[in-house]
Amino acid sequence: NAGVMQNPRHLVRRRGQEARLRCSPMKGHSHVYWYRQLPEEGLKFMVYLQKENIIDESGMPKERFSAEFPKEGPSILRIQQVVRGDSAAYFCASQLSGTVNPRYFGPGTRLTVT
Amino acid sequence: GESVGLHLPTLSVQEGDNSIINCAYSNSASDYFIWYKQESGKGPQFIIDIRSNMDKRQGQRVTVLLNKTVKHLSLQIAATQPGDSAVYFCAETNDMRFGAGTRLTVKP
Repeated sequence: NAGVMQNPRHLVRRRGQEARLRCSPMKGHSHVYWYRQLPEEGLKFMVYLQKENIIDESGMPKERFSAEFPKEGPSILRIQQVVRGDSAAYFCASQLSGTVNPRYFGPGTRLTVT
Repeated sequence: GESVGLHLPTLSVQEGDNSIINCAYSNSASDYFIWYKQESGKGPQFIIDIRSNMDKRQGQRVTVLLNKTVKHLSLQIAATQPGDSAVYFCAETNDMRFGAGTRLTVKP
């Protein structure tokens, strides 16, 4: 059973470009979470999705950021018109349905905005 | 060595010693807690979990203690090894937020 997959592992974008980060949850997991991590800091919650549904996006910046988890395919975190401050590691985690279950994290995508 | 929750973000111990990492949580209704380990350049890795109806749970070389009265969680690592060097986070699954974690450094 493969773990949580994220791609790309490293992404370099110039200011103003778009960044698309992909997350494939563990098999059978229908809940996906996205987190952002700056160097030497903790994980900052961004968004919680179930398939075709955004459950909680209270951690998402109001502009330029969006997330989806379609019925088929990976979850996508999209950042439009990236700025240098978007440079960070972005992790997704997946979970079986329900709340009393551990979340399993992917290896992360390291976004660098030049 | 012992760290006092998230106010002391680093903990340095000698190889072979026991480590204790502490964590305070805020939601008294939380019913499930997890400890994660994050090595440099990697994603957080699940270590051990505990439900709120338990006070203690043991794994391989790790023990988690839960004190609901003071809303405190601790992770004990026995016979700490260099491979244990990492940042350790606690999480309550009712709350999707994580603290900054504690960086554990093991000196040979």
